[in-house]
Amino acid sequence: AQSVAQPEDQVNVAEGNPLTVKCTYSVSGNPYLFWYVQYPNRGLQFLLKYITGDNLVKGSYGFEAEFNKSQTSFHLKKPSALVSDSALYFCAVRDSADKLIFGTGTRLQVFP
Amino acid sequence: KAGVTQTPRYLIKTRGQQVTLSCSPISGHRSVSWYQQTPGQGLQFLFEYFSETQRNKGNFPGRFSGRQFSNSRSEMNVSTLELGDSALYLCASSLAGSYTDTQYFGPGTRLTVL
Repeated sequence: AQSVAQPEDQVNVAEGNPLTVKCTYSVSGNPYLFWYVQYPNRGLQFLLKYITGDNLVKGSYGFEAEFNKSQTSFHLKKPSALVSDSALYFCAVRDSADKLIFGTGTRLQVFP
Repeated sequence: KAGVTQTPRYLIKTRGQQVTLSCSPISGHRSVSWYQQTPGQGLQFLFEYFSETQRNKGNFPGRFSGRQFSNSRSEMNVSTLELGDSALYLCASSLAGSYTDTQYFGPGTRLTVL
């Protein structure tokens, strides 16, 4: 069965520093991976996805993610964090029935 | 293009009642999926509709049901509400629900069961 793991419940980073939110996956077949962000009392906003091709995927709001097949990882990154990036981040994988399987989420806190 | 809209945004019900939530997908999107988000269980898939047919279903009891109309709008219904049904219910739409499609989410309906 497809699954994703987000090993960190919370990530703290100072504004202006680079940030990384980790995600590892387990799939049979090709992985189709997604990152979403959720602000308080809001739905999920799509950031980026990996379907095939270049291992470095660029997305919205300056975020990017690196797909690493050997390590089965799809970590979300941003070179310089903003206080406004503070939110809940979800990694997800598309399973064989086309539904999204989500990780447990990582709360990102960016301090001024 | 307008995003996914969900109504109502907030709902308070009592145990035993039933509730209907509505979702309007992005124009041109034919696939609508529903998810339940709770602090304890996280985000869980409820079901997916495509062209008025339920194509996938998650592991939820039969009290949870849904339907899709010819204009792709979708409703989900929960009957005989239980306290544990309190959650944020999210609707997502995509073009055709294929592997590579992106699902775009609405703001959700916050259901509180008293």
